[in-house]
Amino acid sequence: QKEVEQNSGPLSVPEGAIASLNCTYSDRGSQSFFWYRQYSGKSPELIMSIYSNGDKEDGRFTAQLNKASQYVSLLIRDSQPSDSATYLCAVAPAGGTSYGKLTFGQGTILTVHP
Amino acid sequence: GAVVSQHPSRVICKSGTSVKIECRSLDFQATTMFWYRQFPKQSLMLMATSNEGSKATYEQGVEKDKFLINHASLTLSTLTVTSAHPEDSSFYICSARRLADNEQFFGPGTRLTVL
Repeated sequence: QKEVEQNSGPLSVPEGAIASLNCTYSDRGSQSFFWYRQYSGKSPELIMSIYSNGDKEDGRFTAQLNKASQYVSLLIRDSQPSDSATYLCAVAPAGGTSYGKLTFGQGTILTVHP
Repeated sequence: GAVVSQHPSRVICKSGTSVKIECRSLDFQATTMFWYRQFPKQSLMLMATSNEGSKATYEQGVEKDKFLINHASLTLSTLTVTSAHPEDSSFYICSARRLADNEQFFGPGTRLTVL
């Protein structure tokens, strides 16, 4: 069974600190990796996508992918209280009948306190 | 860009009635849309994959006769919950896959409450 695992948290960091969110996946055929942010009662919002090994930076966010270790992470620098949300890791396979289908982790609740 | 709308945002209905939820990609074409369900404090669970012009593909355990999906155009997919019961009460979220980069963008969700 394909699985995506996240450290469930909750993760609490002070304002201005770096928040580190981790995710592992079991399907070695996975090719697309996404981080979504979900506020309570709202739908997920795409933050980052990453497709190749290494780091990808976008503003205060950095996604890191290591396919050999089947590991993807999200770093949030200079964390703000508005970053407090549930962060969902999602993984998609390369193709075939499952093309485009996302498998989500259970989410990590992040709280940034002033 | 990449805006997905959903309508209605909230619906309350009596047990036994049917409810239709619309999902539209407003500024891009989506040959594939996905329907998810999310129960409180749980992650999203994929219900079905909706492909324009063809039958939807349902995930294991999802009743296709209860959750009717139609994807009539490149920008619109609908989910009809037939003969809804209280256990169908949930947050239903659609997403549209942008063909260019495989990224999925989610609609704002529909909160269904069945009395």
